[in-house]
Amino acid sequence: QSALTQPPSASGSPEQSVTISCTGTSSDVGGYKYVSWYQQHPGKAPKLMIYDVTKRPSGVPDRFSGSKSGNTASLTVSGLQAEDEADYYCISYAGNNNWVFGGGTKVTVL
Amino acid sequence: EVQLVQSGAEVKKPGTTVKISCKVTGYTFTDYYIHWVQQAPGKGLEWMGRVDPEDGDTKYAEKFQDRVTITADTSTDTAYMELSSLRSEDTAVYYCAANGVFYYGLDVWGQGTTVTV
Repeated sequence: QSALTQPPSASGSPEQSVTISCTGTSSDVGGYKYVSWYQQHPGKAPKLMIYDVTKRPSGVPDRFSGSKSGNTASLTVSGLQAEDEADYYCISYAGNNNWVFGGGTKVTVL
Repeated sequence: EVQLVQSGAEVKKPGTTVKISCKVTGYTFTDYYIHWVQQAPGKGLEWMGRVDPEDGDTKYAEKFQDRVTITADTSTDTAYMELSSLRSEDTAVYYCAANGVFYYGLDVWGQGTTVTV
C-alpha cells in the first residue's frame, strides 16, 4: 500500500487561506468516504481535525474544512492564524481493514 | 476522562524485541479498535496495524506484517504493540490511538513512546 501524496509544504499570510491536497487512488481516497485529517505540532501527538471527509469534531474551529473530488481529498484552512502552523496529515481507509497515511504537509504562517 | 496512557521510553539493541503498552481509561475498552502508528525522527506518520479488543482480531500493514504483534488484554484494558528483530530504522515514536470513541477517526491518542534502537 503506497502512501497518499501530499505537498511537502504550504504557506499563507495571516487571515489568508491555504488548501492541502491528499491524492490517492480509487482503492483508497476515491473508494471510501473515510478520509480524516490530523494536525500535529512539534513534539505533540496528532489531533483529529476532520473525519469522514467533511465532518469537523466539536471544538475544532470552523476555519477548517474538508472536501473530496475523485481520488483527491483536500483540507482548507481559512483565515490562517499563527497557531495553525503545524504539520498536517491525511489518512484514508484502503479496504480490507487497511489504512494509509499521507506523507504530511508542513504549513507555515508567513 | 478518556485517556490512552503509554509506557515509557525504551532503548534496545538491534535484533531484540520491544513491547509497548497502551492503557485505556474512560470508556469501555472493548468498544473501539486500537491502532498503532510509527513516526521516525523528522518523518511522517505510518499506520502499523490495529486490534479489535473485543475479540483480539488484528490487521497489520504489509510493511510490518512479519515483525509486529498487536494484542489486547481485556483484564487490564491495555493494548500492546510488540516489534521484533529491531533495526536502527525502527528508532521512532510509537503512538496508540483509539478509533471512533467520539468521532469516526483516530480521535483519542496516547502521548507516544520513544524507542531508540
